[in-house]
Amino acid sequence: DTAVSQTPKYLVTQMGNDKSIKCEQNLGHDTMYWYKQDSKKFLKIMFSYNNKELIINETVPNRFSPKSPDKAHLNLHINSLELGDSAVYFCASSESSYEQYFGPGTRLTVT
Amino acid sequence: AQSVTQLDSQVPVFEEAPVELRCNYSSSVSVYLFWYVQYPNQGLQLLLKYLSGSTLVKGINGFEAEFNKSQTSFHLRKPSVHISDTAEYFCAVRGTYKDYKLSFGAGTTVTVRA
Repeated sequence: DTAVSQTPKYLVTQMGNDKSIKCEQNLGHDTMYWYKQDSKKFLKIMFSYNNKELIINETVPNRFSPKSPDKAHLNLHINSLELGDSAVYFCASSESSYEQYFGPGTRLTVT
Repeated sequence: AQSVTQLDSQVPVFEEAPVELRCNYSSSVSVYLFWYVQYPNQGLQLLLKYLSGSTLVKGINGFEAEFNKSQTSFHLRKPSVHISDTAEYFCAVRGTYKDYKLSFGAGTTVTVRA
């Protein structure tokens, strides 16, 4: 069983479109995260939810909106996609603030 | 806030040779430290972590790291590498008290050659 799963694995779309990435964890963790990894492999936290409450909201464009329907799911919706949004997006989860477990990533390509 | 500096962006190494990846951190509070590995086209996998206790931490796949508080370092070592250790390695840090934000270094690319 995959602990942290993301769908889709690859996403190719045109500028201006709206897209969503889904994340699910079956570890029973209470905290989930979204990270962005750029082309130079630098990892930066975007958002975090603890028990469905937003606890980290870094400086990201408001075109990005996370949604946590329950503790096991954290989705990322992106409006009006831009070329600069092309990156690999990772979901992660943790029990409270302990070590984080990462999903396989979603490679987003905006053309 | 915490920050991490990985001192080597690329480390080429021959198979069966030892390797050391250097990591220094900056923080005004006590920290927990982590090393993650990212194999090509995959997610991040936890190699090892330092939370408290012994400063020498052993992880998976024969890796170990030593926490040095006075030098604010957490260097990763492996005595003998395999081709399969070719990957990106990330050092990460967070505060010890209810700190959910994990700060990552820029990564070190390890390339193991036969």
